[in-house]
Amino acid sequence: EAQVTQNPRYLITVTGKKLTVTCSQNMNHEYMSWYRQDPGLGLRQIYYSMNVEVTDKGDVPEGYKVSRKEKRNFPLILESPSPNQTSLYFCASSPGQGDYEQYFGPGTRLTVT
Amino acid sequence: SQQGEEDPQALSIQEGENATMNCSYKTSINNLQWYRQNSGRGLVHLILIRSNEREKHSGRLRVTLDTSKKSSSLLITASRAADTASYFCATDTYSGAGSYQLTFGKGTKLSVIP
Repeated sequence: EAQVTQNPRYLITVTGKKLTVTCSQNMNHEYMSWYRQDPGLGLRQIYYSMNVEVTDKGDVPEGYKVSRKEKRNFPLILESPSPNQTSLYFCASSPGQGDYEQYFGPGTRLTVT
Repeated sequence: SQQGEEDPQALSIQEGENATMNCSYKTSINNLQWYRQNSGRGLVHLILIRSNEREKHSGRLRVTLDTSKKSSSLLITASRAADTASYFCATDTYSGAGSYQLTFGKGTKLSVIP
């Protein structure tokens, strides 16, 4: 089944403790991205990647890192999480940019205390 | 940067009625997409309309695009309780150097009452 998977689905952590949220897609998509969703603010893009080893900042990249060493994986790294990073995170992929739909993962609900 | 803005923010209708949601945006677009999100879940793509298209249909969905007014509408006909969800428009814009950016609005929350 074609899908985007994220792990973990739920995470509660403390300020400053480094964490990684994994994202994997099995559709051989070139383009992958991370979004965060907050009440009243909609979805905002954090980082995106157009292909292996090619990543770029989205609208809200501060406090996050990403890497794209393999086509299928696009982990999101929070090196020193803070409470303002408490949010619902989505990974998405598509065959490319432009006239393509995005396929979304199920989401990761992160709480930083 | 927020590009699309949906209107209304929330909409409540009876089952069987039609639901119309609107999206306005500010700059030229390559295409506009509509997505649905059931509570707390991942977004699901509904329909993509290119900037040179005016109307598109998919089952009970009808999307229109008016580039002169920089607006789009999503019509769901004969609504069902299962249509209860949040609906987002997303604008795809060319950001230079062969790169496009997809920007989501804040969504319209639709409730369909059985």
